[in-house]
Amino acid sequence: AQSVTQLDSHVSVSEGTPVLLRCNYSSSYSPSLFWYVQHPNKGLQLLLKYTSAATLVKGINGFEAEFKKSETSFHLTKPSAHMSDAAEYFCVVSETGGFKTIFGAGTRLFVKA
Amino acid sequence: NAGVTQTPKFQVLKTGQSMTLQCAQDMNHNSMYWYRQDPGMGLRLIYYSASEGTTDKGEVPNGYNVSRLNKREFSLRLESAAPSQTSVYFCASSDYITQPQHFGDGTRLSIL
Repeated sequence: AQSVTQLDSHVSVSEGTPVLLRCNYSSSYSPSLFWYVQHPNKGLQLLLKYTSAATLVKGINGFEAEFKKSETSFHLTKPSAHMSDAAEYFCVVSETGGFKTIFGAGTRLFVKA
Repeated sequence: NAGVTQTPKFQVLKTGQSMTLQCAQDMNHNSMYWYRQDPGMGLRLIYYSASEGTTDKGEVPNGYNVSRLNKREFSLRLESAAPSQTSVYFCASSDYITQPQHFGDGTRLSIL
């Protein structure tokens, strides 16, 4: 069975400081892992994906995530937060090649000026 | 603009009424998906269509039916709406990966 846990329901940072959004997963199979971002009243946008290639994955808007199998983690980071990064972020796990996805509950990111 | 278009954006129904949510994509994507989003629960997959002519159940299919009308369109039907189906519904599509790449802006559905 697969599951995903986002360890923080909300994170608050100041503009220009680093962002860390934490995600742990559980999977019986070799997983694919994803991060999505959702701005208010909008659909989700794919930020980045891990599918068993390089463990450090670079995405859009300066975000990146590192797959750590030993820790079953896939944390999302960004060196310097921007006001436009304020949104909700979802970590997602699925069996590689499978269509069925498990979403985390989401982490709301607040960015202070 | 290219993307995924959902109609309607908002709808209020009474318990027992039926309704079809429409979704269309103009990116020539093979796969399409329907999700529901409830507070604190992330998104849950209702149904998906890997390619034109096929549909499969996701995590929470009960109370819903789908139709992949053609490559562009994937509709979601509630035959007899229940208050538990109050949610925000998202349609999504993807091309060569098996995960959603592009999402519509959602349909906010309330069932009284």
